[in-house]
Amino acid sequence: AQSVTQLDSHVSVSEGTPVLLRCNYSSSYSPSLFWYVQHPNKGLQLLLKYTSAATLVKGINGFEAEFKKSETSFHLTKPSAHMSDAAEYFCVVSLKNTGFQKLVFGTGTRLLVSP
Amino acid sequence: NAGVTQTPKFRVLKTGQSMTLLCAQDMNHEYMYWYRQDPGMGLRLIHYSVGEGTTAKGEVPDGYNVSRLKKQNFLLGLESAAPSQTSVYFCASSYSTGETQYFGPGTRLLVL
Repeated sequence: AQSVTQLDSHVSVSEGTPVLLRCNYSSSYSPSLFWYVQHPNKGLQLLLKYTSAATLVKGINGFEAEFKKSETSFHLTKPSAHMSDAAEYFCVVSLKNTGFQKLVFGTGTRLLVSP
Repeated sequence: NAGVTQTPKFRVLKTGQSMTLLCAQDMNHEYMYWYRQDPGMGLRLIHYSVGEGTTAKGEVPDGYNVSRLKKQNFLLGLESAAPSQTSVYFCASSYSTGETQYFGPGTRLLVL
């Protein structure tokens, strides 16, 4: 079975400081991993995706994530937070080598950015 | 190019009433999905479709039915709404399995 754990339900940062949102996964297979962002009252938007190419994945809006197999982690980072980054972030894992890609969502991390 | 659209945006139902949520995509995607989002639980898959005329059950299908009569549309039906179905419902689509899923803006449903 595969699952994903987001270690923090809320993260608070000041504008201009680094962002770290933590995600651990478990998977019997080589996983595909995603980070999605959800702004208030909006749908989910893909930030970035890992599919076994480069372990450091760059996404939109300056976000990036590093796949670490030894630690089963896929943490999301950004060097400098902006007010517009305030949103909920979901780490998502999917199975490979199956006929259907089922996405398993983490419970989300709410990022709060203060001036 | 509107992407994925959902109607309605918000609805209030009384227990036992029925309704249909409509999802439409203009990206010619084969795969479509319905999720529900509840506080502290992430998104859970209700039903999905791998092509026109096909449907399949996801994690939490009870109390819902779906239809995919046209490739671009995926309908989610509640025959007899219950308060436990109060949630935010998201539709998504993708070109194929393993590809990025694109989400609609959501439908907020309140069942009294």
